[in-house]
Formats: sequence, C-alpha cells, structure tokens
Amino acid sequence: QKEVEQNSGPLSVPEGAIASLNCTYSDRVSQSFFWYRQYSGKSPELIMSIYSNGDKEDGRFTAQLNKASQYVSLLIRDSQPSDSATYLCAARHGSSNTGKLIFGQGTTLQVKP
Amino acid sequence: GAVVSQHPSWVICKSGTSVKIECRSLDFQATTMFWYRQFPKQSLMLMATSNEGSKATYEQGVEKDKFLINHASLTLSTLTVTSAHPEDSSFYICSARDQVTLRWITEAFFGQGTRLTVV
Repeated sequence: QKEVEQNSGPLSVPEGAIASLNCTYSDRVSQSFFWYRQYSGKSPELIMSIYSNGDKEDGRFTAQLNKASQYVSLLIRDSQPSDSATYLCAARHGSSNTGKLIFGQGTTLQVKP
Repeated sequence: GAVVSQHPSWVICKSGTSVKIECRSLDFQATTMFWYRQFPKQSLMLMATSNEGSKATYEQGVEKDKFLINHASLTLSTLTVTSAHPEDSSFYICSARDQVTLRWITEAFFGQGTRLTVV
C-alpha cells in the first residue's frame, strides 16, 4: 500500500464546474497535509496546506481533512482552463514538524472550455 | 516571497559523464534542502535530505556514491550525478526549508527543476 494515494485520472470537468480531488494516506500520525499544483514541465507550487479536521477555504480552493478516515480532498470552484494541471497531495511523514513530505502520484485535471 | 533558484533548468550530457545541479535559496537561510526526482507521469520521490555542514541523508535505494550532495553553505546545495546513464534521465527538483521563520512548515519553496537527459 502506498503511503499517499490519489486517483491518477484524468479528471475532466467543464469550465465553471466544481472539481473534486481526493487523497488518502496511510500514516495515522501524520498531522500536516498539502496540495500542490504542477504544470507540465514545471516544479510544484503550493496551493493549500491543512492541519486540522474540517474545511479550509482560500479563494476558489477548499481543502478538507478527515483524520479519522485518513483522507484529504481539494475542491476547486468555478474551474478554469488554467486550472488544468496535475495536483499532488502530500503528507508530512510522522507527527513531527520536521518529517519529510510523502507525495501521491498526482491527479491530472482537465478543465474543458 | 521566498525564492529557490535551481540551475541549470535543463542539461544534456553523454553517458558516463557527471553533471552538477545547483540549488540556491535567494532570500533566506536554508539549513535543510531536499532533492527529489520525478520520472514522467510519476510523483516526486525524495532522494535525499541535505543539511548544511553535515552529510546528507539518503532515502532507501538511492546510491549515495552516485548522487553526491554537498551543502556547504546556508544558501547553496549541489547534487552531482556521477557517471550518468540514460536511466538517470529525469526531472530533478530541490526544495528548501527556511528554519528561521515559521515558513519552513509548508516547505513550499521549490526550485524550478532541472531536466536531465543522458544520451
């Protein structure tokens, strides 16, 4: 079992729709979770970080964390073609703030005009 | 915002030669830098953690004699791929942790990556 799992997709949504990206993790003591966006040929850029159960909203993005079920999700409202990219979920290994990041394989999102 | 500069952005080398990749933190002191490798359509895999002034910690399965890491200052870490072979062709990305401020929590500071092609 991979430590961080994502559906590789592609996930295709029409422009203006809500895109829902999901991620599960196996390390029960992980406390910090991150969503990165990666355009083809580029390095990842941080979109959201979340540490507590519940929802965290930032503009069109909402991260959701459920530690009991060990899943993290990212919702993108009013999806735009420019949101088309690969989204990487990452969990910090262990409970320490200095643990390494473990990345999922990424979900490719396609937003169609 | 914090910037991590990686150089070169791409390099083509002949099989058997060595290639050095630099990772610099431009406006903060990076006591820890991370080196990742990403093969096409795969996720980032941590290769090693580089700590300033000490030996790097390599992940399981990563050959330390092949991937030499030097972190001689608080703003520079280098990765040297020695005796490169075509199977080493990949996208290498560094990230840096700013331990002085709380920004290190996010580890958001990635370099722009280096595309290595070994022919």
